[in-house]
Amino acid sequence: AQSVAQPEDQVNVAEGNPLTVKCTYSVSGNPYLFWYVQYPNRGLQFLLKYITGDNLVKGSYGFEAEFNKSQTSFHLKKPSALVSDSALYFCAVRPRIKAAGNKLTFGGGTRVLVKP
Amino acid sequence: SAVISQKPSRDICQRGTSLTIQCQVDSQVTMMFWYRQQPGQSLTLIATANQGSEATYESGFVIDKFPISRPNLTFSTLTVSNMSPEDSSIYLCSARTQGAGELFFGEGSRLTVL
Repeated sequence: AQSVAQPEDQVNVAEGNPLTVKCTYSVSGNPYLFWYVQYPNRGLQFLLKYITGDNLVKGSYGFEAEFNKSQTSFHLKKPSALVSDSALYFCAVRPRIKAAGNKLTFGGGTRVLVKP
Repeated sequence: SAVISQKPSRDICQRGTSLTIQCQVDSQVTMMFWYRQQPGQSLTLIATANQGSEATYESGFVIDKFPISRPNLTFSTLTVSNMSPEDSSIYLCSARTQGAGELFFGEGSRLTVL
């Protein structure tokens, strides 16, 4: 069975400081990895994904994520956080092998609070 | 990318009634899914909506309680039947193309059952 862990329920950071949201996963084979953001009373918005190739993936709004196969991690990062980045962030994983299913499994979510 | 429209965006319902949520995608997609989310919590997959056939339900969800239709590639409905206060939640429609495509989400339908 596949699983995703986001060890921090909440991350607090001052505006202008680097932001990191952690994610580790457990899945058979090499998965597809995703990050989503959810603003209050909104649906989820796609930020970025890792499929193959360069371990550092760049996405929307200045976010990036680094795939680390040995540590089975896919941490989300932003060099300089903005107050408007305050939201709920979800890491998600989907098996690459079709036989393992098409289901996208989400982590528990991490609330990011960026203070002015 | 795909734009997903859901309606209603919110509703307040009485116990024992049923509510149907509609989901429209602006382009043809291969896969459509329905999720449930408590505010501020993670998402739980209810089922995969299959075009022209019965939906595939996840453990803990059954067709009698959550009947789903998908008559074509761009439209699906989820009905929450015989509602109880425990069904109060946000219901999210999502869709993607085949392969490595990411999921796109609707804005959600916030359901409150009294």
